[in-house]
Amino acid sequence: DQQVKQNSPSLSVQEGRISILNCDYTNSMFDYFLWYKKYPAEGPTFLISISSIKDKNEDGRFTVFLNKSAKHLSLHIVPSQPGDSAVYFCAARWDTGNQFYFGTGTSLTVIP
Amino acid sequence: DSGVTQTPKHLITATGQRVTLRCSPRSGDLSVYWYQQSLDQGLQFLIQYYNGEERAKGNILERFSAQQFPDLHSELNLSSLELGDSALYFCASSTGTGGFNEQFFGPGTRLTVL
Repeated sequence: DQQVKQNSPSLSVQEGRISILNCDYTNSMFDYFLWYKKYPAEGPTFLISISSIKDKNEDGRFTVFLNKSAKHLSLHIVPSQPGDSAVYFCAARWDTGNQFYFGTGTSLTVIP
Repeated sequence: DSGVTQTPKHLITATGQRVTLRCSPRSGDLSVYWYQQSLDQGLQFLIQYYNGEERAKGNILERFSAQQFPDLHSELNLSSLELGDSALYFCASSTGTGGFNEQFFGPGTRLTVL
C-alpha cells in the first residue's frame, strides 16, 4: 500500500521557468515531510523539509508547500537550472515512528 | 559525498544464492537504515538499527536479515534469492533516532539475480 504517491513519473521544464513537483499522501498521522534529490549512480540527498505545523518552507530557489486538508505537498523550483535535472523523491514520517515512506519519484529534466 | 559507504557497488548472482551487503555509516552516526528500490518503485524501508539494536522494521522479507556491529557498520543478508529481489539497495545513516533526524544515503548496491 503506497502511502506516499508521486503520480507524475517525469517532468520537463525550460531553463529559467518554474518546476512544480507534486506529492500526495494518505496517512493523516504524517507530521514531517521531506524532499530528496537523486542523481544517477548516487544515493538520494536531502533537499528540503517541512513540518506539519507549517504550510510553507523556503530555501533559496526551493520552496515546499503543504496542504494538510488535501494531503498534498509540492516542491517549487524557481528558476529551474539544468543542474536541477534529477529524480526527486518526497518522503513522509510520523514522529512516533522511525520509518520514512517514500514516493516513487519524479524525474525532472531542465532543458537549456 | 555523503560519508556513507556501501560495498559492493554491483553484485550479480543466481537464484537460490545468498549475498551480504555492507554499509559503513557516517562518522558519529548511530542509526543505520536499509532501503530497497525496485524498478519503478519508491524506496521501500526495510529495517533500522540504532547503536547495535534493531529499532524499526518495515517490509523486510523473512529471507532477509540485518545486523549492526559494535563498530556501527551494518550488513544486510539476503538469502534464497529470487528474481524479484533484483533491486538497488540503499543504506542511510543518521545521528540519532526519532525526531527529525536527516538521513544521509550511500550510493547503493545494485543487485542482479539471474
